[in-house]
Amino acid sequence: ELKVEQNPLFLSMQEGKNYTIYCNYSTTSDRLYWYRQDPGKSLESLFVLLSNGAVKQEGRLMASLDTKARLSTLHITAAVHDLSATYFCAVDMLAGGGADGLTFGKGTHLIIQP
Amino acid sequence: NAGVMQNPRHLVRRRGQEARLRCSPMKGHSHVYWYRQLPEEGLKFMVYLQKENIIDESGMPKERFSAEFPKEGPSILRIQQVVRGDSAAYFCASSPGTSDEQYFGPGTRLTVT
Repeated sequence: ELKVEQNPLFLSMQEGKNYTIYCNYSTTSDRLYWYRQDPGKSLESLFVLLSNGAVKQEGRLMASLDTKARLSTLHITAAVHDLSATYFCAVDMLAGGGADGLTFGKGTHLIIQP
Repeated sequence: NAGVMQNPRHLVRRRGQEARLRCSPMKGHSHVYWYRQLPEEGLKFMVYLQKENIIDESGMPKERFSAEFPKEGPSILRIQQVVRGDSAAYFCASSPGTSDEQYFGPGTRLTVT
């Protein structure tokens, strides 16, 4: 069974600081996704990482994938209040030898304080 | 190009009633996925469908839950004899093909009273 673990699950940080969210998964997969969810809303796709060593950046967010370590990171640079949300990583089970649904981590609740 | 559409957005049912949740995929997408999100949890995969076929239902509860994606019309997730534990947000996603990126709908928030 594919397992996806995120940490931390809760993160409170000040504006202007940097921080990293980690996503570990248990079986081989070359496809990893990061999503943002605001309270009561749907999921917004942030990054799609498709190969080992992939690095993508959008604004203050940067995501990377190390398939050998089965680890992805989401790095936040100089955080601003608007980035407060819950962030999920998800792994494609088909790529991990399973079904075609995504397996999600539990999410990281990020609060950025002025 | 409209995104994934779900309706209703909010649904309240009493225990024992039936709930029907609808999902219209993005134009050109023939693959539909249903996920359930309990409060303060991540999304859990339920079922994967293509037109007229259930491809993988490994995440579906064995009883009371069923899903279909007919040749015409939206995909439907049906929950019979709802119980309080069924209260959750149900998200539908669609993709153009196997292992392509999935695009999520706004979700249906089911409350069982």
